[in-house]
Amino acid sequence: AQTVTQSQPEMSVQEAETVTLSCTYDTSESDYYLFWYKQPPSRQMILVIRQEAYKQQNATENRFSVNFQKAAKSFSLKISDSQLGDAAMYFCAYRDTGANSKLTFGKGITLSVRP
Amino acid sequence: DSGVTQTPKHLITATGQRVTLRCSPRSGDLSVYWYQQSLDQGLQFLIHYYNGEERAKGNILERFSAQQFPDLHSELNLSSLELGDSALYFCASSGTGGFFTEAFFGQGTRLTVV
Repeated sequence: AQTVTQSQPEMSVQEAETVTLSCTYDTSESDYYLFWYKQPPSRQMILVIRQEAYKQQNATENRFSVNFQKAAKSFSLKISDSQLGDAAMYFCAYRDTGANSKLTFGKGITLSVRP
Repeated sequence: DSGVTQTPKHLITATGQRVTLRCSPRSGDLSVYWYQQSLDQGLQFLIHYYNGEERAKGNILERFSAQQFPDLHSELNLSSLELGDSALYFCASSGTGGFFTEAFFGQGTRLTVV
């Protein structure tokens, strides 16, 4: 079974600085998808960024980018120019390539942003 | 707005009772997933329905059941409720596939069992 590990329960970053959130996963599959979801205090789960395992290029969405290391099974999220609105819980998630397969989540990391 | 609607947003009920949580997926999405989020267990997959048929079960208790109706909305039924069932219950939907689909989440139903 696939597992997703987020070993840091909490992190803090100064506004306008850069922070990296770590995630590792375990799978025997060669092709799969990885995601980062954001959960603000409103509790809504918001997709931040996604990465297809077959792509070598790291995904980027505005201030959010990932460092995908397939051999190391590592998938970290970098947030640049951190903003107060980035404060939230962030979940790393894994999904098989089957169109209807489920998401497996890590435990999440709480990110606080200092003004 | 993800396009996934969950009702009710909040629910308070007593131990031993039965409740029904409802989810309307995004227009055109055939898959519905249910997740439970609690403080100690994180986000746990409960069950997946595709076009009315159960496709996969996760850590779903026997006291819990779900179904997906012909109009594609889904209901999660929780019975003989216990204090430990208090959690945030999410529904997510995704499309018919093709090569790659992502899951869109509703705002969740916060269940409090007292």
